[in-house]
Amino acid sequence: AQSVSQHNHHVILSEAASLELGCNYSYGGTVNLFWYVQYPGQHLQLLLKYFSGDPLVKGIKGFEAEFIKSKFSFNLRKPSVQWSDTAEYFCAAYTGTASKLTFGTGTRLQVTL
Amino acid sequence: NAGVTQTPKFRILKIGQSMTLQCAQDMNHNYMYWYRQDPGMGLKLIYYSVGAGITDKGEVPNGYNVSRSTTEDFPLRLELAAPSQTSVYFCASKLGRELFFGEGSRLTVL
Repeated sequence: AQSVSQHNHHVILSEAASLELGCNYSYGGTVNLFWYVQYPGQHLQLLLKYFSGDPLVKGIKGFEAEFIKSKFSFNLRKPSVQWSDTAEYFCAAYTGTASKLTFGTGTRLQVTL
Repeated sequence: NAGVTQTPKFRILKIGQSMTLQCAQDMNHNYMYWYRQDPGMGLKLIYYSVGAGITDKGEVPNGYNVSRSTTEDFPLRLELAAPSQTSVYFCASKLGRELFFGEGSRLTVL
């Protein structure tokens, strides 16, 4: 069965530090990849998505992610985090029929002033 | 457009009670989903529907039931609430490959 792994469960950064959150998926065929963000007490919102084409994807709020097919990875990056980026981040993937989205376990990001 | 609306936002149940979590969307999306979110576990798919009258099980369907009589509504029913069903429940609808989530329903079973 397809799976999505996020190895960083809790990350603490100071403001202005650079961010990279890992995401790996297990599927050898066509894959669609997403990063969602959940701010405290809120629902999930889409940060960015990759379907095909340029493997470097830019999303909202200065986030970007790079699809590396050979590594089955889709890591999320931001050059300089802000306190307002404190949230939980979820990687997700469609494989095959694209009817069911599989989520990773999430990474809780805490940004300190 | 209201998007995806879930009610109630909070609910406390006693073990063995039944209840229905309501989900409605006004975007005319065919696909709808119910997920539960538990700390450190991410989101797990409970049930989903590809259109009115069609539903299917996800990863964790036990203890839940769904129906889809209209495109707009996708209620989730808990028949005999158990402490293991304490969770935050999210409903979502899909356009193309993008999910749109409701604000969640926090359920506590005591």
